[in-house]
Amino acid sequence: GNSVTQMEGPVTLSEEAFLTINCTYTATGYPSLFWYVQYPGEGLQLLLKATKADDKGSNKGFEATYRKETTSFHLEKGSVQVSDSAVYFCALSELGAQKLVFGQGTRLTINP
Amino acid sequence: KAGVTQTPRYLIKTRGQQVTLSCSPISGHRSVSWYQQTPGQGLQFLFEYFSETQRNKGNFPGRFSGRQFSNSRSEMNVSTLELGDSALYLCASSSPNRTSGTGSYEQYFGPGTRLTVT
Repeated sequence: GNSVTQMEGPVTLSEEAFLTINCTYTATGYPSLFWYVQYPGEGLQLLLKATKADDKGSNKGFEATYRKETTSFHLEKGSVQVSDSAVYFCALSELGAQKLVFGQGTRLTINP
Repeated sequence: KAGVTQTPRYLIKTRGQQVTLSCSPISGHRSVSWYQQTPGQGLQFLFEYFSETQRNKGNFPGRFSGRQFSNSRSEMNVSTLELGDSALYLCASSSPNRTSGTGSYEQYFGPGTRLTVT
């Protein structure tokens, strides 16, 4: 079946550091790919998405590119802030279904 | 536009009891999906409802059930609660009028209901 694998966490960085969170997927067909973020005590917020190969999703300084050849959707940000501290989830949406398959999540902590 | 709302936010139940959680989707959204989040298993899909019909179901026992009403509000029910049912239950809504490519739609999540089974 479809699956998503994220890099192991937790990840701790200093403010203004460069961030990469790796995400790879296994899927039949061409799923849509998403990054969601979860702040403490809250639900999930959609951070960015990409719907086809080579699409780049971006939002709030975060970017991720849908790489079909490497089945990857790595999240990057050039300069992180303390407010970016949260848990980040990579997910795919199975074709034609309202069903998200999530990675295990990566807890990110940014120190001032 | 108001977001997805879930009630109650917190719930404590005893083993063997049953529980009903409620979800109100974003206005105009007709699809509602439910997910269970636990530290051990992560985020897992429970089921999805569209126009009062269950369209997709995850790999959960029959103790987990749901329904959707004509106004798109949804409820999920867990009967004969077990300790392992302690989790954050998240509801998400989406709109078939807003596609994100290949027929899959962006899902918007509520804050969740934290269920503790003792």
